[in-house]
Amino acid sequence: AAGVIQSPRHLIKEKRETATLKCYPIPRHDTVYWYQQGPGQDPQFLISFYEKMQSDKGSIPDRFSAQQFSDYHSELNMSSLELGDSALYFCASSWLGQFEGYTFGSGTRLTVV
Amino acid sequence: GIQVEQSPPDLILQEGANSTLRCNFSDSVNNLQWFHQNPWGQLINLFYIPSGTKQNGRLSATTVATERYSLLYISSSQTTDSGVYFCAVEDTGGFKTIFGAGTRLFVKA
Repeated sequence: AAGVIQSPRHLIKEKRETATLKCYPIPRHDTVYWYQQGPGQDPQFLISFYEKMQSDKGSIPDRFSAQQFSDYHSELNMSSLELGDSALYFCASSWLGQFEGYTFGSGTRLTVV
Repeated sequence: GIQVEQSPPDLILQEGANSTLRCNFSDSVNNLQWFHQNPWGQLINLFYIPSGTKQNGRLSATTVATERYSLLYISSSQTTDSGVYFCAVEDTGGFKTIFGAGTRLFVKA
């Protein structure tokens, strides 16, 4: 069965650089969620999209932005990267029409040096 | 916002033992999910369980929404059960799910 695809799996950036993370949800899923997980912490909600419109927002820094495209894939753009942005970034998707929970991708491990 | 508390924070089991993990939440929720994060970091959805009881192999879960808690039962634990178990709840009317701090489980061979 198709899963949630995230790319890249690993990313190393320098401070003040920009990073773009991509997420391809499960086909037919209409909602995408982004989470940030620091070492030893629980995943923190960043932002979600339902049918290509932003549906909810969490503690997402102003330096971050995200969008969902017409093919339902989503991108998280992170600018002016800081050391503290180093974390595991997860994308999840779900189908609101027949909600059965979230399916998470394998995550992108971002390291800012 | 809604608060999610999980207990115990850490648990060490001998292979073959049973355990119960608890999740308390502070307000009415739209739904509740249990996840397992394995040592490689993958988050696996175990149960979507807004109420009632579900079973999947050696795992089962019960949510009593009116009393604002959920329980995850692991029977005959195996070393591959090691990792962090998260309870996550969705705010009513929202599109975001809040995670508890997790229960870190280590199963010894």
